[in-house]
Order: sequence, then C-alpha cells, then structure tokens
Amino acid sequence: NAGVTQTPKFQVLKTGQSMTLQCAQDMNHEYMSWYRQDPGMGLRLIHYSVGAGITDQGEVPNGYNVSRSTTEDFPLRLLSAAPSQTSVYFCASRLDRFDEQFFGPGTRLTVL
Amino acid sequence: SQELEQSPQSLIVQEGKNLTINCTSSKTLYGLYWYKQKYGEGLIFLMMLQKGGEEKSHEKITAKLDEKKQQSSLHITASQPSHAGIYLCGADYNTNAGKSTFGDGTTLTVKP
Repeated sequence: NAGVTQTPKFQVLKTGQSMTLQCAQDMNHEYMSWYRQDPGMGLRLIHYSVGAGITDQGEVPNGYNVSRSTTEDFPLRLLSAAPSQTSVYFCASRLDRFDEQFFGPGTRLTVL
Repeated sequence: SQELEQSPQSLIVQEGKNLTINCTSSKTLYGLYWYKQKYGEGLIFLMMLQKGGEEKSHEKITAKLDEKKQQSSLHITASQPSHAGIYLCGADYNTNAGKSTFGDGTTLTVKP
C-alpha cells in the first residue's frame, strides 16, 4: 500500500494563478481532509469529505475548492492564488470518523 | 486552535531528561490523538486515547487522558535526539462528523 500520496511536493505560483493539489489514498478510507500548516499555528482544516460526492467546509475554506468523485481521490483547487496561501498543505484520510488519520508527505506552496 | 490549547510552545531539554507536553480542551473530548512530525515531513500517529483515565505507552512515550476527558499529557522518559520534532495533539468531539481539531504544536529539541 502506498498510503496517502500528494503531488506536487513543491510548487511556486504567481499571484492570481490557479492550480490543483492532488491527493490519493489506496486504503479505501471514506474520510479525507485537507489541512494547511503555518508556523506556530498547528494544522487548520480547509475542507473535508465523509465519502464520495460529499464534501464540507472546515475552518479556513475561503479561496479553495474541493470535489470527491471517487473514494480514492480528493483534489484541492486554488482558484486565484494569493500570498496568504503560502503554506504547507497536508492531505489525510481515516477509515472512520473517530479513528487515527494517515497523512500524506505534504505540498510546500509558495505564492509570490 | 482555541478549542485545543497545547503547551509549551517549545521545549529544549538535555538528552536523558524527562519532559511533559500538555493538551487542554475547552470541551469534553470524544477522542484525543498524539502525532509527531519531523521537520519537512508528514505527521506520524503515536497514540489515541478515548476513555477517561486511559493511559497508553509506546517505547519511552506515555500519554494519559484525564478522567474528565478534557486534558491529555504526553510524557517522554529519558529523552533521546530521535525524540526531537513537533508534537501535535488532535481532538475529535462527538458532534464532529469526521473533522478533527489540532493544537498549535510543541517543538521539542533534545541537546546531546
């Protein structure tokens, strides 16, 4: 099992550009989440999904879109990148809603 | 997160010393999770606590959840350089429906 995979590992964008961060898991987990990690602020939830076709907003959803067309994939879209979105992004999945989360290696995004 | 307070923010200890990291919730927890993160990498699951008064150990790391299920502590005995990293607590609440809240993290440095 590959676990949770994320691509790309690093990305530099210019203000106003759009892009998609990819996340995939091969553990047949229903629950998937996107977090951003900024220095001294732990992890903040952006969007999450409780199954294919079902997504909801987390703590900091503005400027991000998600969709979940399959159990395996949960892409995060930045609509119009802003310097405030410079961060490290983590995708995570879990089997059940009260269960440990498995994290991907992260995507380090810089917006100039 | 204001729901979940983690302390201290950073900790520097001499190799061989014991240390404790605390995680306090503003409301009753359903589940409390401890993760470790090496710089530039994803999070690794350490332990999950669900029952009041529960205690779990993994090698030299022990985590406890208080009887009221609002506070957890992570204790490392005889610290080693391999223990260095960022420790994060994560919480599930009964009403969460799949989304977790994380503390701001504790950065641990172990001096040889």
